[in-house]
Amino acid sequence: SQQGEEDPQALSIQEGENATMNCSYKTSINNLQWYRQNSGRGLVHLILIRSNEREKHSGRLRVTLDTSKKSSSLLITASRAADTASYFCLEGAQKLVFGQGTRLTINP
Amino acid sequence: EAQVTQNPRYLITVTGKKLTVTCSQNMNHEYMSWYRQDPGLGLRQIYYSMNVEVTDKGDVPEGYKVSRKEKRNFPLILESPSPNQTSLYFCASSLQMNTEAFFGQGTRLTVV
Repeated sequence: SQQGEEDPQALSIQEGENATMNCSYKTSINNLQWYRQNSGRGLVHLILIRSNEREKHSGRLRVTLDTSKKSSSLLITASRAADTASYFCLEGAQKLVFGQGTRLTINP
Repeated sequence: EAQVTQNPRYLITVTGKKLTVTCSQNMNHEYMSWYRQDPGLGLRQIYYSMNVEVTDKGDVPEGYKVSRKEKRNFPLILESPSPNQTSLYFCASSLQMNTEAFFGQGTRLTVV
C-alpha cells in the first residue's frame, strides 16, 4: 500500500494542552496537506506546506516538514473541545494518498 | 457559496442493482476525485480526473466507473454493487491536483 502512516492512531488530552501528531509518507511530494474530519463528515482543509518549506503556521496550528525523513508533524496549541476530530495528512505527486489518520479527543 | 455537492447522502441498495452517486462542484476546479473510507483502512482513492474527459484509476478502482463529460460533474457509477462496496464515499475537487481540496459531505452506501 502507498498509504502513509500517522502516529499516534489515537490521542486523548486535556483542554488547553498541546496536541502533536505525526505523518510519515512514502512517495516524493510537491506539498503536504493536513485535513480535519468531524465524525464521518466531509474533510476540511487546514494547512498546506510546500516541499521547499520546513515550517508553517496558521493560527493555533504549526506544521513542520522534513523531506529527508519523509515526515511531517501537526501541532495544535491550546487545544479546545471543538478540536476533537480525526486528522489526516495528504501527500503525493502523481497520486494523492491519505494517511490513516489520528483520532484526537480533547477532554474538558 | 463554494461547495461540492454529493447525492444521495444515504443509500441502501441490493447486490447487482446499478447505481450512480452524483458529485457536482461550483468552483470551476479542474481536478476531481472519489474516495472511499472504511474503518481501519482510512481514505483510499478510487478514481480521479485531471480535467474534462481525462480520468484515471486510483488505488481501489475495481467495481467502479466514472465519467467527466463536464467540468463541474464527476459521477461515480457502480454497475453491479456488491456488499464489499458498503462504505462511506467522498467526492473532492481542487483547482489542481496538489492544491487545497474541497470535500462533499459524503455518501453512506450500504449494499445488502
